[in-house]
Amino acid sequence: QKEVEQDPGPLSVPEGAIVSLNCTYSNSAFQYFMWYRQYSRKGPELLMYTYSSGNKEDGRFTAQVDKSSKYISLFIRDSQPSDSATYLCATPLARGGADGLTFGKGTHLIIQP
Amino acid sequence: EADIYQTPRYLVIGTGKKITLECSQTMGHDKMYWYQQDPGMELHLIHYSYGVNSTEKGDLSSESTVSRIRTEHFPLTLESARPSHTSQYLCASSTGWVGTGELFFGEGSRLTVL
Repeated sequence: QKEVEQDPGPLSVPEGAIVSLNCTYSNSAFQYFMWYRQYSRKGPELLMYTYSSGNKEDGRFTAQVDKSSKYISLFIRDSQPSDSATYLCATPLARGGADGLTFGKGTHLIIQP
Repeated sequence: EADIYQTPRYLVIGTGKKITLECSQTMGHDKMYWYQQDPGMELHLIHYSYGVNSTEKGDLSSESTVSRIRTEHFPLTLESARPSHTSQYLCASSTGWVGTGELFFGEGSRLTVL
């Protein structure tokens, strides 16, 4: 079972819409979760990270963790064409003491002007 | 903008060639990583380093090797490239634990082996 799973999309929405991006994770011991954004032909960059359950807000972005269902979400309000990118959820590697993050496949988001 | 650089950005080579992908960072980070990314697939950690003279294998087996002789430099080498090595390779660095810190990524090296 993959540690983190997400629907690769693509997800296409009109400008101004609220976007909901989701991941599920397998290990209930996971407590730290991140969202990275990757533009085409670029490396990923950190958007937000959250710890345990609850919400975290940063401008138009809100990250949410539901530990009871092992579900993590990223909401984007007032979506803009510049938000078009691939969004990856991640959590620290749990195997063998290895450092680094394990990532989902990423959801490709398209905001239509 | 992150100060981590990868060269070459794009490389097309024939089977059997030796290649080295370069990665340099100017942030003084001790930890560095190599990830492999195929289209529509997860990033997979193939190598990481805690500092000079430290190298470890990641969770995805890879025929590549790495070295860390200087803090700022973490090159990846394939002794004999094969078509199965065709992929995008992303280098990253961090300070502190990745759970509460940030991985800074380069723009990637896209390798095609014919």
